Amino acid sequence: GESVGLHLPTLSVQEGDNSIINCAYSNSASDYFIWYKQESGKGPQFIIDIRSNMDKRQGQRVTVLLNKTVKHLSLQIAATQPGDSAVYFCAETLDAGNMLTFGGGTRLMVKP
Amino acid sequence: EAGVAQSPRYKIIEKRQSVAFWCNPISGHATLYWYQQILGQGPKLLIQFQNNGVVDDSQLPKDRFSAERLKGVDSTLKIQPAKLEDSAVYLCASSFLDGSYEQYFGPGTRLTVT
Repeated sequence: GESVGLHLPTLSVQEGDNSIINCAYSNSASDYFIWYKQESGKGPQFIIDIRSNMDKRQGQRVTVLLNKTVKHLSLQIAATQPGDSAVYFCAETLDAGNMLTFGGGTRLMVKP
Repeated sequence: EAGVAQSPRYKIIEKRQSVAFWCNPISGHATLYWYQQILGQGPKLLIQFQNNGVVDDSQLPKDRFSAERLKGVDSTLKIQPAKLEDSAVYLCASSFLDGSYEQYFGPGTRLTVT
């Protein structure tokens, strides 16, 4: 079936730099996309979401961009901090209450 | 607000044995999800409950996995008998209403089948 995937399995950045994590999705019918952060030994934690009728959404230090033309999603983290080190997953769903389909994850490593 | 609680946190069993996991969702959350997360992969939904009814169990291996949420609050997930490939982290999540996109995850139970 269709699923969400990620381009890079590991991303290493210097503290203070900006990070960009990418995700490709294949189901054009997906209506809602979410980024989750998962630290070691913990469950995924919601970061930010975006509906398919939007191109960009900003949160605190994070921005999600959605390009429906090429079915691409990205998470930008400004001024990356050591506490941002984790695995980041994108997920998609057709509609509220429907199952989430997760991608394989990208590990972000922040060097001090 | 207390988060989603799961127990045990770790479990080691031999293949062909049985195991059960418990989940207590956030108070008031009607929807409960069980996910399987194999090392290095994203979570995969096993079953979704709305109160005590099953909404989606299409990816649950029903020959060995079962889940229940009898009173619409706590839930248990059982594997009987376990196989080596069941080694994974089992995550429970809950959301306020069926129709809410935001799911809150528990810490998970790490299962090792030897």
